[in-house]
Amino acid sequence: DAGVIQSPRHEVTEMGQEVTLRCKPISGHDYLFWYRQTMMRGLELLIYFNNNVPIDDSGMPEDRFSAKMPNASFSTLKIQPSEPRDSAVYFCASSPTRMAEQFFGPGTRLTVL
Amino acid sequence: AQTVTQSQPEMSVQEAETVTLSCTYDTSESDYYLFWYKQPPSRQMILVIRQEAYKQQNATENRFSVNFQKAAKSFSLKISDSQLGDAAMYFCAYRSQTGGGADGLTFGKGTHLIIQP
Repeated sequence: DAGVIQSPRHEVTEMGQEVTLRCKPISGHDYLFWYRQTMMRGLELLIYFNNNVPIDDSGMPEDRFSAKMPNASFSTLKIQPSEPRDSAVYFCASSPTRMAEQFFGPGTRLTVL
Repeated sequence: AQTVTQSQPEMSVQEAETVTLSCTYDTSESDYYLFWYKQPPSRQMILVIRQEAYKQQNATENRFSVNFQKAAKSFSLKISDSQLGDAAMYFCAYRSQTGGGADGLTFGKGTHLIIQP
């Protein structure tokens, strides 16, 4: 299995632009998680899905952030408009069941100028 | 809400020696999971070891073992025979077992482990 796939690996954009991060979970995994890692706040959960349905989005920082999972193979995290303080590494993780290990993707390093 | 605290921002150990990384957590739940993740410079998050709170026996994985003290809410990681490849950031993480929309991981701020050759 290819593992969790994230794209792009690096993204540099200018303030005010729309940014879309993509994630393909491991096939057969019912749970998908989005995390953000910054120096100041560490690793924090943004949102997670079960069977494509958002379960907890309380970690989404602002209305500028939105996430979707249109099918079991694909999820997006969108920031519109982006701001410099959104610069971070964004991780996607998936797990086959609620109690199982979460497998992380390689992350997307986002830089907003 | 649960919190996870790693009080050691950085630790250094000689190659082949043993090192212990500390982690404490705060929760009102009785059923939960605890994890240690490793993040090398590649930034890939790698699960090192997990512990179910209902299990009294401490988890071990080869050179890695934990000291789980439920009453003290302490979960330390011991790395024996340290190797250069162990150099990384180590994160302690908590996950509720109760469900109900609480299936994400809560992470500590991490400990940077340096291995001296």
